[in-house]
Amino acid sequence: AQSVTQLGSHVSVSEGALVLLRCNYSSSVPPYLFWYVQYPNQGLQLLLKYTTGATLVKGINGFEAEFKKSETSFHLTKPSAHMSDAAEYFCAVRPSGTGTASKLTFGTGTRLQVTL
Amino acid sequence: DTAVSQTPKYLVTQMGNDKSIKCEQNLGHDTMYWYKQDSKKFLKIMFSYNNKELIINETVPNRFSPKSPDKAHLNLHINSLELGDSAVYFCASSQGGSIGGYTFGSGTRLTVV
Repeated sequence: AQSVTQLGSHVSVSEGALVLLRCNYSSSVPPYLFWYVQYPNQGLQLLLKYTTGATLVKGINGFEAEFKKSETSFHLTKPSAHMSDAAEYFCAVRPSGTGTASKLTFGTGTRLQVTL
Repeated sequence: DTAVSQTPKYLVTQMGNDKSIKCEQNLGHDTMYWYKQDSKKFLKIMFSYNNKELIINETVPNRFSPKSPDKAHLNLHINSLELGDSAVYFCASSQGGSIGGYTFGSGTRLTVV
């Protein structure tokens, strides 16, 4: 079974500082990987995804993530944090391929706090 | 125009009651899901339907019964509600066979008292 581990349930950064949220996956074959953001009392919004091709993927709101097969990682970064980035971030994995029965499995989430 | 809409947004009910949550998507997707998010924000899949056919049924008490009248709708009925059912329930949809992510609704916060 595939899984993701998010290191750090809570990360705090200063406004303007680098954001780094860590995600490692476990899978026998390279899976599809996703980052979602959840603002308070809202649903989940897709930030970015990696399926195939370029290992550095860019998403919305200035976020990007790099797929590193050798490290089984898919860390999320943003060069300069903004107050509006404060939210819960979820890394998720699903099997590669196109089966309809594949499911998206989430990590436990990382709460990002941005301080002045 | 909301892509995945759930109703109600909030639901407070007493133990033992039966309640339903409705979900509709207007994205033309053929696969829909129910996820449960607990108080620690952990998200776990409960069910998935593809073209009205149940394809994923995780270990969920049989008090939970999903129903999909058509591929644009997926409802969740819960019988004999328990305190532990309190959570946020998210509906999501995707196009089966695609490599994209899921589109989520805004959630239904269920509180059982």
